[in-house]
Amino acid sequence: KNEVEQSPQNLTAQEGEFITINCSYSVGISALHWLQQHPGGGIVSLFMLSSGKKKHGRLIATINIQEKHSSLHITASHPRDSAVYICAATGNQFYFGTGTSLTVIP
Amino acid sequence: GAVVSQHPSRVICKSGTSVKIECRSLDFQATTMFWYRQFPKQSLMLMATSNEGSKATYEQGVEKDKFLINHASLTLSTLTVTSAHPEDSSFYICSALNPGGAYQETQYFGPGTRLLVL
Repeated sequence: KNEVEQSPQNLTAQEGEFITINCSYSVGISALHWLQQHPGGGIVSLFMLSSGKKKHGRLIATINIQEKHSSLHITASHPRDSAVYICAATGNQFYFGTGTSLTVIP
Repeated sequence: GAVVSQHPSRVICKSGTSVKIECRSLDFQATTMFWYRQFPKQSLMLMATSNEGSKATYEQGVEKDKFLINHASLTLSTLTVTSAHPEDSSFYICSALNPGGAYQETQYFGPGTRLLVL
């Protein structure tokens, strides 16, 4: 079992839809990251969370430490949001989820 | 699944010495590898993109003479921190691009190397 589990693995949405990607982890962590990867590109760090909620533009990330769960929400999704989203937990080392491939259709 | 290893996982060195960190893709060939850095309580920062057989592409603000990257084979990239100083203490993470991965050009991350310069 992976230390970090993401769901769904693949997601297709219509432009404008509200999107949620979930991440559960089983290890003790100091922070949780949400990363974005466009095809052929490096990773872009979207959020780093240790508690509560953060918002940046149309992106919102939340974390529940007690439940060891985090969610990434995208409001009013756009085709340029199409990418792989990766949840990564920082403890003694980095534990990465397998990623969620998001495709937003115009 | 695809695995990327890093060595060493932790290193402590004296100021002024150089430290080499290795990043290996264990079961696939990676023409492209990335190096990231994470300062304490901060998010990841992309340092450079390493392409096999050619010079690395450094992000703005990253000193190429300070952080030497060599991608000599399809399974190995090295990052050498030259004349390390305490401010170089950080968590260094590599990732390797797997063109045959589950998604197109899936990227797999190494577990990271924690560097402490005294």
